[in-house]
Amino acid sequence: QKEVEQDPGPLSVPEGAIVSLNCTYSNSAFQYFMWYRQYSRKGPELLMYTYSSGNKEDGRFTAQVDKSSKYISLFIRDSQPSDSATYLCAMSKGGKLIFGQGTELSVKP
Amino acid sequence: DTGVSQDPRHKITKRGQNVTFRCDPISEHNRLYWYRQTLGQGPEFLTYFQNEAQLEKSRLLSDRFSAERPKGSFSTLEIQRTEQGDSAMYLCASSLKLADFYEQYFGPGTRLTVT
Repeated sequence: QKEVEQDPGPLSVPEGAIVSLNCTYSNSAFQYFMWYRQYSRKGPELLMYTYSSGNKEDGRFTAQVDKSSKYISLFIRDSQPSDSATYLCAMSKGGKLIFGQGTELSVKP
Repeated sequence: DTGVSQDPRHKITKRGQNVTFRCDPISEHNRLYWYRQTLGQGPEFLTYFQNEAQLEKSRLLSDRFSAERPKGSFSTLEIQRTEQGDSAMYLCASSLKLADFYEQYFGPGTRLTVT
């Protein structure tokens, strides 16, 4: 069983939709939870990180962590075609990152 | 402001050949990481350095793989006797500590194809 599970999609939504991306994890020791965005043939770029449980908002993006359920989410409001990418959740373990499989998102104009 | 750079961006090699990749981190970052990413998967951790010391190696890093970071600056990842299963994107990242959190910045990756 993988430490971090993420539905690979693909997920296709119309422009302006609210997108919900999710990951589950098994290691209760994880403290930092991250979301990375990766465009095709590029390296991942950090979107947001959250420490422990709670919500964090940055513009159109909101990250939520529920440690009791071992569940994290990323919400994208008013999605744009430029948001089309693969979204990777990641958790920090001793300095290294443990990634989910990634969810491929396509936002159609 | 330069980010993490990797060279080459693409490498095609025949099975059994040796290959070496280079990563130049962001200049003030003291930690450097290597990850491997196959198609449709998230990156998998291979190894990381703090300055010139290699602090952790994944079980994925077989004895055909070796990484160095001389003088704590750039790093090289060498794969000896390449196999078709080594075909992947090799990503390098570097980080600076923010409190207890190391924000990792990734390079563009080196795409390896073993024929």
